[in-house]
Amino acid sequence: DTAVSQTPKYLVTQMGNDKSIKCEQNLGHDTMYWYKQDSKKFLKIMFSYNNKELIINETVPNRFSPKSPDKAHLNLHINSLELGDSAVYFCASSQPGGGSVFPTDTQYFGPGTRLTVL
Amino acid sequence: AQSVTQPDIHITVSEGASLELRCNYSYGATPYLFWYVQSPGQGLQLLLKYFSGDTLVQGIKGFEAEFKRSQSSFNLRKPSVHWSDAAEYFCAVGAGGADGLTFGKGTHLIIQP
Repeated sequence: DTAVSQTPKYLVTQMGNDKSIKCEQNLGHDTMYWYKQDSKKFLKIMFSYNNKELIINETVPNRFSPKSPDKAHLNLHINSLELGDSAVYFCASSQPGGGSVFPTDTQYFGPGTRLTVL
Repeated sequence: AQSVTQPDIHITVSEGASLELRCNYSYGATPYLFWYVQSPGQGLQLLLKYFSGDTLVQGIKGFEAEFKRSQSSFNLRKPSVHWSDAAEYFCAVGAGGADGLTFGKGTHLIIQP
């Protein structure tokens, strides 16, 4: 019963390709996020969605496009992949304002997707 | 803008010894503070969090952290480390809501036998 899951775990592709990473959470949370962890392990927020609506869109190339078909899913589509896109991408979810089961505003992370662009 | 500083990139501790990992933050209001741990090749696991109230918070795996507003710090401690504690530790700050977390650069913990 994984709370936040991502597929695939590993993704190796050529420069110029288009790829997608999928994220699903079964926690009933309203908010989902994408983070990028670079080769130095630095984590940076890319996007957040609240109930399928884009809330945060940090300075990310427009080749990256998040899509939320429903509040349990947040996919990341990347066009025209570049070498610098190689990183680990983490999905997370939280329930702003808290709830009876999960502590307020705590973000729960998926296992990550390691993207390697050759 | 909010920021997090973890001044120690690497820390080496002998198994059984005590541990303190430092975290300083910059934030305009009362922050939400978190410590996450990342084992090699794994995702981030929440160790503990501070939102309000008691400034000494207990977490999983025997960790605790103390919020000190006057020092803008949220240091992580453990009285006796185990070899399985070897990992990357991240301090993070957030505003709550749908705000993203701002992470420090992490501290790599090495456990000596």
